[in-house]
Amino acid sequence: GQQLNQSPQSMFIQEGEDVSMNCTSSSIFNTWLWYKQDPGEGPVLLIALYKAGELTSNGRLTAQFGITRKDSFLNISASIPSDVGIYFCAGQRGVTFGTGTKLQVIP
Amino acid sequence: DVKVTQSSRYLVKRTGEKVFLECVQDMDHENMFWYRQDPGLGLRLIYFSYDVKMKEKGDIPEGYSVSREKKERFSLILESASTNQTSMYLCASSFNQVHSIHFGPGTRLTVT
Repeated sequence: GQQLNQSPQSMFIQEGEDVSMNCTSSSIFNTWLWYKQDPGEGPVLLIALYKAGELTSNGRLTAQFGITRKDSFLNISASIPSDVGIYFCAGQRGVTFGTGTKLQVIP
Repeated sequence: DVKVTQSSRYLVKRTGEKVFLECVQDMDHENMFWYRQDPGLGLRLIYFSYDVKMKEKGDIPEGYSVSREKKERFSLILESASTNQTSMYLCASSFNQVHSIHFGPGTRLTVT
């Protein structure tokens, strides 16, 4: 199957810092999705992107659909302890997922 | 609100046992999916289904089968469980090809 490369694999940040993570694909996608998984739970959809170049926000989260349609970015501003979890990108409406970015926030 | 439920949160089985993981969604979704999640490997698609009695192989179908006799229910079957099938199993559903998918809480399966 297709592979999504997600980076970084993990990050430790101080509370209040901004966070950036990205996802790249060898293929073109028509949809990019970003999910967050809390410990012991299933992933929950954060943001969905449907158009190249699209920039969408959801509170402190902002995601962008890359112009080439082969990448996407997620930014979290002013991180707080409850941002802890694993963040996944997904293409093609969830058929293909990235390997995840594990975020730890130090209070 | 979409609800996807999985029959067990934790399951321990012995090598060689036949294992059934059940998933039910209550929103009349067309599509249902089974993934497994392993550290460093992300979510990998095992099987999915676009309609009742229809199934498609995902990226890692070996050692698994599925059943979708009713629209709301999608079962994952491990015919003869092996230790390398110890993992977190996540079920998901979506309304159609356009809408995003919704996950259940997961089943952590340990095969000893």
